[in-house]
Amino acid sequence: DAKTTQPPSMDCAEGRAANLPCNHSTISGNEYVYWYRQIHSQGPQYIIHGLKNNETNEMASLIITEDRKSSTLILPHATLRDTAVYYCIALNNAGNMLTFGGGTRLMVKP
Amino acid sequence: GAVVSQHPSWVICKSGTSVKIECRSLDFQATTMFWYRQFPKQSLMLMATSNEGSKATYEQGVEKDKFLINHASLTLSTLTVTSAHPEDSSFYICSAYLSGGSKNIQYFGAGTRLSVL
Repeated sequence: DAKTTQPPSMDCAEGRAANLPCNHSTISGNEYVYWYRQIHSQGPQYIIHGLKNNETNEMASLIITEDRKSSTLILPHATLRDTAVYYCIALNNAGNMLTFGGGTRLMVKP
Repeated sequence: GAVVSQHPSWVICKSGTSVKIECRSLDFQATTMFWYRQFPKQSLMLMATSNEGSKATYEQGVEKDKFLINHASLTLSTLTVTSAHPEDSSFYICSAYLSGGSKNIQYFGAGTRLSVL
């Protein structure tokens, strides 16, 4: 699976959009981009995933660049409860083993 | 999303005792489940892959006789930490794999915090 790179930490003001970047420059054509988050002392929570088209669900939007070398997770209106570590993972859809890197620690501030 | 239940959420035990942690997929069947361990301020580390009806596959460095995994049904996997010692104190998390078309997703339990005295 392709390696992903994320900034270690980010701050966001409550009510504003949080844009979390992820670099996956070596991603292959059949690898999806998955996003999970882990709130302190809880298990990871699935957020969204996509292959090449932008995706949106009730939690977030996922914007994938045309060359698929990077993506951005967007939380449109961040709340204090969105404070968590966000993980971006590239994974072949036929595979099922997630490898967690360091993620981005998002701090939403009042 | 799908629900994965993990029990217990927190356990404190004396050194030398064995502790069993259960992981259940409540609204779907999971041929494959995973067990992770997480130390404070670190990322999740995969311990083993649990396959229904067959032996678990352990990651390098994880002792299979120490961490016994049983996946006897499509909705239940158990992890038993045998003869626990203080260095086994950690946050243990399971996940269950839901597969189907483009919706191949791992759903995680809430985790079990193990404290060995």
